[in-house]
Amino acid sequence: GEDVEQSLFLSVREGDSSVINCTYTDSSSTYLYWYKQEPGAGLQLLTYIFSNMDMKQDQRLTVLLNKKDKHLSLRIADTQTGDSAIYFCAESTSGTYKYIFGTGTRLKVLA
Amino acid sequence: DAGITQSPRHKVTETGTPVTLRCHQTENHRYMYWYRQDPGHGLRLIHYSYGVKDTDKGEVSDGYSVSRSKTEDFLLTLESATSSQTSVYFCAISESFGPGELFFGEGSRLTVL
Repeated sequence: GEDVEQSLFLSVREGDSSVINCTYTDSSSTYLYWYKQEPGAGLQLLTYIFSNMDMKQDQRLTVLLNKKDKHLSLRIADTQTGDSAIYFCAESTSGTYKYIFGTGTRLKVLA
Repeated sequence: DAGITQSPRHKVTETGTPVTLRCHQTENHRYMYWYRQDPGHGLRLIHYSYGVKDTDKGEVSDGYSVSRSKTEDFLLTLESATSSQTSVYFCAISESFGPGELFFGEGSRLTVL
């Protein structure tokens, strides 16, 4: 079945760039997403990319998609302590209810 | 912030007891979902609804039932709670059906002793 995989932890120093990686298996994925979960809260959409795009930039966030390798990454420039959270990669296919989430990557930003 | 309220936010119960979690939305979104979040598993879909009285199973639906009698309310029921159902439960809503942004509630933490 479809699967989305992420590494569980990432630790970076404040001011550095963070890169969170994700691999997925469903080649029919239409959209790929990054959600952020802060402690004690639900998930919030950070950004998304259509499967026919290679890159999307949104302020400090850069999303790269390698469709051939089914690899998605989220780069956060100038990482701040407020960026400490769990980041979920997710994929969905147009016209279906399926919205598959990865296990989440816990980002810890060290001051 | 999307108007989604989950209740209760925290519940401790004993094995074998029934439990109902409520999700209430004020956005008039058609689609509603129940997910559970467990360490190492991410979010897994339990059930979803595509309209009043229209529901279907997700990937981990065993032991759970749902009902949606009004657009704004989506109830998740554990008929006889088990320890394996200890989890954090999230309700989500969306305007459209894949793709589309999911808006999440703040979660309901359930502990089954």
